[in-house]
Amino acid sequence: EVQLVESGGGLVQPGGSLRLSCAASGFTFSSHWMNWVRQAPGKGLEWVANIKQDGSEKYYVDSVKGRFTISRDNAKNSLYLQMNSLRDEDTAVYYCARGVLFGIWGQGTMVTVSS
Amino acid sequence: DIQMTQSPSSLSASVGDRVTITCRASQGISNYLAWFQQKPGKAPKSLIYAASSLQSGVPSKFSGSGSGTDFTLTISNVQPEDFATYSCLQYNSYPLTFGGGTKVEIK
Repeated sequence: EVQLVESGGGLVQPGGSLRLSCAASGFTFSSHWMNWVRQAPGKGLEWVANIKQDGSEKYYVDSVKGRFTISRDNAKNSLYLQMNSLRDEDTAVYYCARGVLFGIWGQGTMVTVSS
Repeated sequence: DIQMTQSPSSLSASVGDRVTITCRASQGISNYLAWFQQKPGKAPKSLIYAASSLQSGVPSKFSGSGSGTDFTLTISNVQPEDFATYSCLQYNSYPLTFGGGTKVEIK
């Protein structure tokens, strides 16, 4: 079964850090671009970042540039999002999604930034 | 950045109705447009890519059209399981941007 499973969310204070993981199974992970997308409570979807198959290209939305880092480990079939200097406005459910067409999504992991 | 404007933001429909949702891009994006369905508390599900191509396993009651700046998602014969929020995504250029979403509710 093709599957993406996110983990690593939780409650963190403003200015803190968190590392999200996305474990892939059921497909050739190394063949696909991978994305992170977030959704603040009651709001729409926002693309956060993506990474090429070999990790050689990475793109970010302006609001997270310099604070978030996307990475992947193809040997472990895993995608990561290192989030530093977290702000209240980063509070959201974070989803990983497969490919340039966002064909497969994980179930999401909640990140709450609050003092 | 390319802005994606969806309309309406919400609509009410009866079972069996035909529903049309539009997405307008602030500049031309060719056909690099995808549509997603999301139910409360669940992850989005991909419906359509390249403006009009149906994802595998998605019923043909869903259809998409458009190119350039104006796009539509049509749902024929709306059924109870179709009541959800629908969002568009442009993947023509960075940053990738979603529309604000259209909530389809039962009348």
